Order: sequence, then structure tokens, then C-alpha cells
Amino acid sequence: DSGVTQTPKHLITATGQRVTLRCSPRSGDLSVYWYQQSLDQGLQFLIQYYNGEERAKGNILERFSAQQFPDLHSELNLSSLELGDSALYFCASSVGITGELFFGEGSRLTVL
Amino acid sequence: DQQVKQNSPSLSVQEGRISILNCDYTNSMFDYFLWYKKYPAEGPTFLISISSIKDKNEDGRFTVFLNKSAKHLSLHIVPSQPGDSAVYFCAASSRAGGTSYGKLTFGQGTILTVHP
Repeated sequence: DSGVTQTPKHLITATGQRVTLRCSPRSGDLSVYWYQQSLDQGLQFLIQYYNGEERAKGNILERFSAQQFPDLHSELNLSSLELGDSALYFCASSVGITGELFFGEGSRLTVL
Repeated sequence: DQQVKQNSPSLSVQEGRISILNCDYTNSMFDYFLWYKKYPAEGPTFLISISSIKDKNEDGRFTVFLNKSAKHLSLHIVPSQPGDSAVYFCAASSRAGGTSYGKLTFGQGTILTVHP
């Protein structure tokens, strides 16, 4: 158990819909990261928040957005969903800005 | 453009022997390298890391070697155990431009199977 909690574990929805994935970081961790793992792209960095502020951005689509709240939990919002958005979405956290991340179990999104 | 490559999709090793997993990178700005292990239905778990100022880092049965001139790193597991069977991901990061080390670029992974 990494201490990072992600909900929901599984989500099935239709094209065009919007979903929200939630992440609670390890106690005390200020950084939250979102990664997407798809079959053809592997693990891809999406975005990082540090203590409520966006810190780094990867190839995150404009249809996707994220935020980190004062209690340090984070949400990833995916809108106008397409079939290609089907993937495993991982949240990770760390104390500072090191690469030693603690990953949650992931949220598996299936878009039909 | 795959900046971190793990060219071996799978590796099979006998228990007690050495497992060597390889990783190549192309981006010379990378200065921090990590290995993660992943079991099915779980998130990746951090194993070991190495900074570009070193060429070797050891932690118990795990040793990571970095060859900067060849842009190559490897993970050695000695001795290998059946519980080591998992997918191993190589990852790289850079602080260039003030970015975070948590912005990792991952390889595609190598499935390690350790036979009893």
C-alpha cells in the first residue's frame, strides 16, 4: 500500500461525456502528479501540482484539466471524451520535487 | 519520439541468477534516472535511482549502473527471486529549465520472469 488513494478504480462511460478522477496523496506529501498509461503510449506524464499550484505540464490535452485543493487532494477532469482516452490514469505523490514518486493503484477509464 | 527505450520486452531468469535489465536514452538533458517495478493491478513502485554525477548506485540486491557517454543504464538484480517477477520501468528526468524531477519520461517496460 503506497498510501496514495485513487477513486474510482474503474469507470465506464460514453464518448462525449465528462468524468472526474480523484486522488488523495500520502499524508504530508505536497506534490501530486498525474500520469496516463495507454497500450500504445506507455506511461505519460500529464501534469504536476505542488502545494496547490501547477508546477509542471506534460502533453496534457486541452480537454483535460486538473487542480489541487487546499487539503492537497487532487482531481483530474476529462471532458468531451473520445475512444482514445481509454487508459489507466495514475496519480502519484512525493514529499518534494524528487522523482521518487509513490503511485496509487490507478483509475481504469473505458470510453465506449 | 521515444526518449527512453527498453529494447527487451521480456526477460526470463532462473532463481538465484543475475537479472540484467537495460535502458537507453536519447535526451542529453536527463540528469536523474530511476527504476520502478510494477505488479499487475498495482501502481509502479520506486526501486532505485541514480544521479548523473554517479555511475553506480547500490541498494541491497539491486544495483543501477549509468554510462553517460553511451546514454545507457542498467539494473542488476542479484540474486534474482521469484518475487521479483514483475514489469520493470526505466525512467528519466531533468531539472533543466527549473522543471521538477517528478516529470518522468518512462520506457515501455520489461517483463521479468524469475523461475524457481
